[in-house]
Amino acid sequence: KNQVEQSPQSLIILEGKNCTLQCNYTVSPFSNLRWYKQDTGRGPVSLTIMTFSENTKSNGRYTATLDADTKQSSLHITASQLSDSASYICVVSPVTYGNNRLAFGKGNQVVVIP
Amino acid sequence: DGGITQSPKYLFRKEGQNVTLSCEQNLNHDAMYWYRQDPGQGLRLIYYSQIVNDFQKGDIAEGYSVSREKKESFPLTVTSAQKNPTAFYLCASSNSWQLNQPQHFGDGTRLSIL
Repeated sequence: KNQVEQSPQSLIILEGKNCTLQCNYTVSPFSNLRWYKQDTGRGPVSLTIMTFSENTKSNGRYTATLDADTKQSSLHITASQLSDSASYICVVSPVTYGNNRLAFGKGNQVVVIP
Repeated sequence: DGGITQSPKYLFRKEGQNVTLSCEQNLNHDAMYWYRQDPGQGLRLIYYSQIVNDFQKGDIAEGYSVSREKKESFPLTVTSAQKNPTAFYLCASSNSWQLNQPQHFGDGTRLSIL
């Protein structure tokens, strides 16, 4: 069973609109939760990283939230741009193994249309 | 600029052939990782290395081999024993002692069979 579940699998949004991506995880205990952006044919690029004690982290138009009690995280994209079209991957780092056993979600595929 | 370089970007393998994917980093990171990405799937760990001359199997190591003779380099060989090698391969690196720092990824190698 996948330890990180992301929803929706894919979505299409109009340029300039906002959207929110969801990540539910079962990894416990964990040291941090990360969101990556992956453009088609490229490697993932880090957007945010939150430790278990943080609730929110922003990076420009991207804002991630974390609720460790409910084991949920979200990534909010504000005023979307065409360049936001990508896959957004939620990654959880377990305390025991850290970077050696990261749990990856399958990604949220976002398409921004003009 | 510091970063991770993967080569080649595209690679084709014939039946019974071994192929080697290159990964070089100039970030002075101790740890390096190889992941496999299939469509609609999360990243899966093939091998990782915490220090030079040492490496560990990940979740899907069968049919793959690695070496870590230099800190900067972590090549991956896809052997003929890997019966389904078609995938997008990603190399990553991180400082093993910085648990709350994200991994940095290369731009991947896409491997196909002829």
